[in-house]
Formats: sequence, structure tokens, C-alpha cells
Amino acid sequence: AQSVTQLGSHVSVSEGALVLLRCNYSSSVPPYLFWYVQYPNQGLQLLLKYTSAATLVKGINGFEAEFKKSETSFHLTKPSAHMSDAAEYFCAVSKGGGSNYKLTFGKGTLLTVNP
Amino acid sequence: EADIYQTPRYLVIGTGKKITLECSQTMGHDKMYWYQQDPGMELHLIHYSYGVNSTEKGDLSSESTVSRIRTEHFPLTLESARPSHTSQYLCASSGSGGREKLFFGSGTQLSVL
Repeated sequence: AQSVTQLGSHVSVSEGALVLLRCNYSSSVPPYLFWYVQYPNQGLQLLLKYTSAATLVKGINGFEAEFKKSETSFHLTKPSAHMSDAAEYFCAVSKGGGSNYKLTFGKGTLLTVNP
Repeated sequence: EADIYQTPRYLVIGTGKKITLECSQTMGHDKMYWYQQDPGMELHLIHYSYGVNSTEKGDLSSESTVSRIRTEHFPLTLESARPSHTSQYLCASSGSGGREKLFFGSGTQLSVL
């Protein structure tokens, strides 16, 4: 069985500061890893995904994440926060291989950006 | 970009009522999903479908039922709503290519009094 743990249910940064949202995973097989973002009153959108290719994955809106197998981590970063980045961010894992596509989500991290 | 629609957006209903949450997508996706989300908690998969006349229960046990008579439509029904059913319900779909990204609807916030 796979699972993800997001450290910190709430992260607050100043505009222009580095954003770091932490995600650690547990999987019995090589995982596929995802970050989703949920803006207020909207559905989830895919930010980026890792599918066993390059370990540094670039996503939309300047976000990127690095897959570190030795640390079982997939932390999300952005060099400079913007007010529009305020949202809830979900890390998710699915089993690599096969055709079933069931994601297991973390509890989410609410990002607040202060002016 | 995402063409997946959920109605209603908000629903407040009394205990014992039958409700149906609608979900439709216009992308021709084979796979559709229902997730349940409580504040501060992870999303839980409660139902999924890999095509017409195919439905499976997800990881979290739910008293709701689903049907998939048409590719584009995946409604969720509660025969008798209870306060414990109060939650946000998110519908999603994905293509048949494997590892396709999920497209999510905006969700239905259900409150059962």
C-alpha cells in the first residue's frame, strides 16, 4: 500500500520568499508522484508529476519538485512566492505500472502568502 | 481547460432525504472517480468507473451508490442522507492512456441537517 505525508498543514510565507512544501511518500513499488493545487472554490489542478523520468520535475506557475528516493521525498518549491499562489496543495502517489490509476492523497497544505 | 461539471455546487438537505449529485464530462474520458474531502483531511476515493456499466468501490467505504450508463455521466446517489454524510464530494475524470492526469470538477459541498 502507498501513502503520503505532508508535513505542515499550514505554511505562511512573504511575497517574494521561497516556497517549500514538504511531501514524503511510502510505496512498495516505484511510485508515480503528483502535486495538485486547489484554489478557493475550484477543483483540483495538476501542478506537476513524476513518472520515473527526470528526478527534477518542472510544473506550471514556476513550481518544481525533486524526487529523492533515498529520502522518500517529493518536496514542492518555488523560488519567489506570488500572492496568487495562495491555495491548498495536495501531494499524491499512485503505483507505478499497470493501468489502474488510483491516487492516494495527503491531507493538504494550505499556503498563505503575506504582502 | 477542464470540462467536467458538478451540480449542485452547494446542497443543504434534511436527514432522510434522497439526493443525487451530478457529474458530467465532455472530454470522452473512460475513467471517472468520486472523492470525498473533509476539511484538513486527505481526499478519499469512494467510487470509480473505468467505463460504461463498470463501477467499483474505492478505498473509503461509503453508503452512496453510483451508476455509469453513459460515458459522460457519473451520478452519485445517497438513498437516505444523514449528518455523517456532510462533506465535500469531488468528481474527476481521466483519459485511457494510463497515468493520465485527473481533471476535477469544482465539487459539491453537502450539508445534511
